[in-house]
Amino acid sequence: DTGVSQNPRHKITKRGQNVTFRCDPISEHNRLYWYRQTLGQGPEFLTYFQNEAQLEKSRLLSDRFSAERPKGSFSTLEIQRTEQGDSAMYLCASSLALGGRALDTQYFGPGTRLTVL
Amino acid sequence: GEDVEQSLFLSVREGDSSVINCTYTDSSSTYLYWYKQEPGAGLQLLTYIFSNMDMKQDQRLTVLLNKKDKHLSLRIADTQTGDSAIYFCAEGYSSASKIIFGSGTRLSIRP
Repeated sequence: DTGVSQNPRHKITKRGQNVTFRCDPISEHNRLYWYRQTLGQGPEFLTYFQNEAQLEKSRLLSDRFSAERPKGSFSTLEIQRTEQGDSAMYLCASSLALGGRALDTQYFGPGTRLTVL
Repeated sequence: GEDVEQSLFLSVREGDSSVINCTYTDSSSTYLYWYKQEPGAGLQLLTYIFSNMDMKQDQRLTVLLNKKDKHLSLRIADTQTGDSAIYFCAEGYSSASKIIFGSGTRLSIRP
């Protein structure tokens, strides 16, 4: 499988709990992105990495959210003290960039659907 | 600022052409994309066009870009039931940073 994979595909949690999602990008891609999609909306950018470095964070990414990409391969997105408003599809994408310029478009994974009760 | 807008719904008869329209505000975008999302599925890249192009054709898909008016359209010829989905217009940058998406147009097909 050469696509972007995400785990778990579905997560149901109670308000106040912490959750962690994982994304495995396409193996040769050096950039990894996180987006959030709520019902009836398009995906909204959260953050992205080049290798291990987190290059940009959206103002949507509150203090309860943290993303890491420790070895420049897979990434995790953690949400602490979840709220009902965090319920959404969390999408990961990856791409290849060189010298700060895109060599290819972003390829998206299937997403992790989070439901906070 | 960065904003992408699209109409929410489009209904066409099977076999007709579908035209989905989009406007964007950021003239510095380098790429304009069309993504397709079927119920419960992820995002599928349909096609994209560089901002210095006017048109791109790929089988049943034709993308038209009017950079002056910041207007992008996607035409699907001979629309089939399998084309039922939500179509997202999006803009991206040569820096390979974030992609800005519209809210999506839900395409439904009438028999």
